[in-house]
Amino acid sequence: DQQVKQNSPSLSVQEGRISILNCDYTNSMFDYFLWYKKYPAEGPTFLISISSIKDKNEDGRFTVFLNKSAKHLSLHIVPSQPGDSAVYFCAASDLMTGNQFYFGTGTSLTVIP
Amino acid sequence: DSGVTQTPKHLITATGQRVTLRCSPRSGDLSVYWYQQSLDQGLQFLIHYYNGEERAKGNILERFSAQQFPDLHSELNLSSLELGDSALYFCASSVRLAGGTDTQYFGPGTRLTVL
Repeated sequence: DQQVKQNSPSLSVQEGRISILNCDYTNSMFDYFLWYKKYPAEGPTFLISISSIKDKNEDGRFTVFLNKSAKHLSLHIVPSQPGDSAVYFCAASDLMTGNQFYFGTGTSLTVIP
Repeated sequence: DSGVTQTPKHLITATGQRVTLRCSPRSGDLSVYWYQQSLDQGLQFLIHYYNGEERAKGNILERFSAQQFPDLHSELNLSSLELGDSALYFCASSVRLAGGTDTQYFGPGTRLTVL
């Protein structure tokens, strides 16, 4: 049972444009969400997070938006750079029990120079 | 470099065998998580240890077991290996019990190939 879903396996954008990666979840108890970035042959690295008390969190070129009613979050990268080409995973957790993180299947982003 | 180390980096073995994967968390981190990533799959949570105690179990097969030692390193034991166990196995560590706004730091992974 995939509780966190990333329905787009891949995305290509031009350098300088906006990249939007989407993530949906099914468990309404989730209240903490994270995005990770993964390069080949490396482990995922933390990018940005958001708790359910917010609907937006920004860190430099990266902004995460949370729509609790739609159980949807998105990661915006502006402007996109070739070095952003990687696989992006979203993850969710329930802060009450919080011992487990649920990951999506990832979206492979390619930024074309 | 996340500060989390995993050994070995690659492991090739045969069906029916048993292997042990090792993880050393970041200095000061008490939580260790294990994940499995099969081809085209997301990260599947296997198990979480906090300060030596098992705290959560995910989709971990009975043939798999793990433990966290007093020095906080962790081992994931995979036995009676099957072809389908071929995957990347990641461990991650964090400072405390997930349950706060905690961040997991991932190791580079161990690639297991079962022939």
